[in-house]
Amino acid sequence: LAKTTQPISMDSYEGQEVNITCSHNNIATNDYITWYQQFPSQGPRFIIQGYKTKVTNEVASLFIPADRKSSTLSLPRVSLSDTAVYYCLVVGDSSYKLIFGSGTRLLVRP
Amino acid sequence: NAGVTQTPKFRILKIGQSMTLQCTQDMNHNYMYWYRQDPGMGLKLIYYSVGAGITDKGEVPNGYNVSRSTTEDFPLRLELAAPSQTSVYFCASSYLIATGDSTDTQYFGPGTRLTVL
Repeated sequence: LAKTTQPISMDSYEGQEVNITCSHNNIATNDYITWYQQFPSQGPRFIIQGYKTKVTNEVASLFIPADRKSSTLSLPRVSLSDTAVYYCLVVGDSSYKLIFGSGTRLLVRP
Repeated sequence: NAGVTQTPKFRILKIGQSMTLQCTQDMNHNYMYWYRQDPGMGLKLIYYSVGAGITDKGEVPNGYNVSRSTTEDFPLRLELAAPSQTSVYFCASSYLIATGDSTDTQYFGPGTRLTVL
């Protein structure tokens, strides 16, 4: 399973766009990039997954360059409720094992 | 549809005591998992199960045992509790779909906060 590297923490203000970059230099051909969100005192929650280029859903966008060695989670117009820890994971095709790093602790200020 | 439920929410144990953390899912998922999360850290996989009667070790299995007699339930047993087992324990489940278009999503329970004194 490929190791990921992401910033330990980030600060933002309400209404701003937040971009969290994750590095995964050893990603394999069959691996997907997956992001989970964890609020305090709750279990993680899946937010988005992608293989290449760009993926968008109602919560976030995920940008993946052609070499797939990094990815960027983009949260548009964050609110206070987006304060959470965001985990970047690399998951193999049909794999069920998740390896969580320490994540990025996002603090959104008023 | 309650998803993944865990009991108890909180528990304090004395060193050497034993307990079972309960986990139930009502989504008919084949796969179930137990993780622990220490303060400020990511989750670490303790044990997982790919179906009733089948379990396997994760990254940190020492001091724990599991069983999977039904699809719905996946209890985690702590024998001879130690202070190093103070942590938040999360149960998760997933239904592996090998579509080739995506990997599986895990659904997590609310966690059990365990303190061993």
